[in-house]
Amino acid sequence: GESVGLHLPTLSVQEGDNSIINCAYSNSASDYFIWYKQESGKGPQFIIDIRSNMDKRQGQRVTVLLNKTVKHLSLQIAATQPGDSAVYFCAENLAGSYQLTFGKGTKLSVIP
Amino acid sequence: KAGVTQTPRYLIKTRGQQVTLSCSPISGHRSVSWYQQTPGQGLQFLFEYFSETQRNKGNFPGRFSGRQFSNSRSEMNVSTLELGDSALYLCASSRRQETQYFGPGTRLLVL
Repeated sequence: GESVGLHLPTLSVQEGDNSIINCAYSNSASDYFIWYKQESGKGPQFIIDIRSNMDKRQGQRVTVLLNKTVKHLSLQIAATQPGDSAVYFCAENLAGSYQLTFGKGTKLSVIP
Repeated sequence: KAGVTQTPRYLIKTRGQQVTLSCSPISGHRSVSWYQQTPGQGLQFLFEYFSETQRNKGNFPGRFSGRQFSNSRSEMNVSTLELGDSALYLCASSRRQETQYFGPGTRLLVL
């Protein structure tokens, strides 16, 4: 039969604006979370991580927010640039496991 | 420091054949994980190795197997290839348990 591909949510932002990408994670026992960026033809690239004992962490132009109450993770990108165009994945790690569980991804398109 | 390398980058096989993919982790990283990425299923965990031992395995059939060598390099093997095995196979390495760094992947096409 015909395979159905993932219909990735798409976020289009104007260059210079701020972007917010959201992710709902699945397991309340997960204690570590990572955001990855994947450009076409490349493997996922680590952006920023956060542990469950924190609710906010900042990097260079990026901020990750964690809301454990509603199992929600967000990635904020300040002053979005054309080079930020990619698919962004959140991933969670269950304490004591040795695997990451990935979200479906969000495609970010930056309009010059 | 060199990143994770994977060989080959592209591969075309026919149904019923078997394939072996190779991964060299970042120097000093002893954990290697493998993932399958497809448009339909996204990124799915295959297995993870540490010090030549498989510590965790995802929900894939026994046709998918792997191993790790004493130098932390890893290989994965898929036997009796099916059309649905066409995917990007990603290897990731880590020093600590959680932070995984990915290679560029091997794109496998099964005809």
